Amino acid sequence: AQSVAQPEDQVNVAEGNPLTVKCTYSVSGNPYLFWYVQYPNRGLQFLLKYITGDNLVKGSYGFEAEFNKSQTSFHLKKPSALVSDSALYFCAVRDTLHGSGNTGKLIFGQGTTLQVKP
Amino acid sequence: SAVISQKPSRDICQRGTSLTIQCQVDSQVTMMFWYRQQPGQSLTLIATANQGSEATYESGFVIDKFPISRPNLTFSTLTVSNMSPEDSSIYLCSVDRGPNYGYTFGSGTRLTVV
Repeated sequence: AQSVAQPEDQVNVAEGNPLTVKCTYSVSGNPYLFWYVQYPNRGLQFLLKYITGDNLVKGSYGFEAEFNKSQTSFHLKKPSALVSDSALYFCAVRDTLHGSGNTGKLIFGQGTTLQVKP
Repeated sequence: SAVISQKPSRDICQRGTSLTIQCQVDSQVTMMFWYRQQPGQSLTLIATANQGSEATYESGFVIDKFPISRPNLTFSTLTVSNMSPEDSSIYLCSVDRGPNYGYTFGSGTRLTVV
């Protein structure tokens, strides 16, 4: 079965420093990977996705993620953190075994709280 | 990407009652997904809603508790029936716009059962 793991419940970083939020995955076949952010009392916002192509994916708000097939990882990164980046971050993988084509469900990691301190 | 209007945004309900959550999408989509996010937890898929057929429920979720309607390609409802405090969660709908666009989520319904 497909799964994703976010090994850190919380990541703390000082404003201006680089940040990394970790994600590892387990899938059969080629992974479709996503990162989402959830601000307090708001829905999920899409940050970026990896389907195929370049291993370094650039997304919204200056975030990027690196797909590493050998390490089955898809870590989220940002060169310089902002206090406003403080939120809950979810890694997700699309279940390619559910249905067909583009209609697979998303399986989420447990989430990582990012705290950026001034 | 698709815009999803979800309502209500929040509600406080008495145990034993039911609440129906609505999601309206601004374009036609084949499948809509309903998720639950319990306090401090990740998102768990409740069911997948296809237009014109019964929803497909995930393990641990049943139609009697979470009936779903999907009358057309832009609209779906999820009902939380016979609520108990354990149903207090955020409920979110989502659509898949395909591999080039990813998934879009509604803003969520924060349900508190007292």
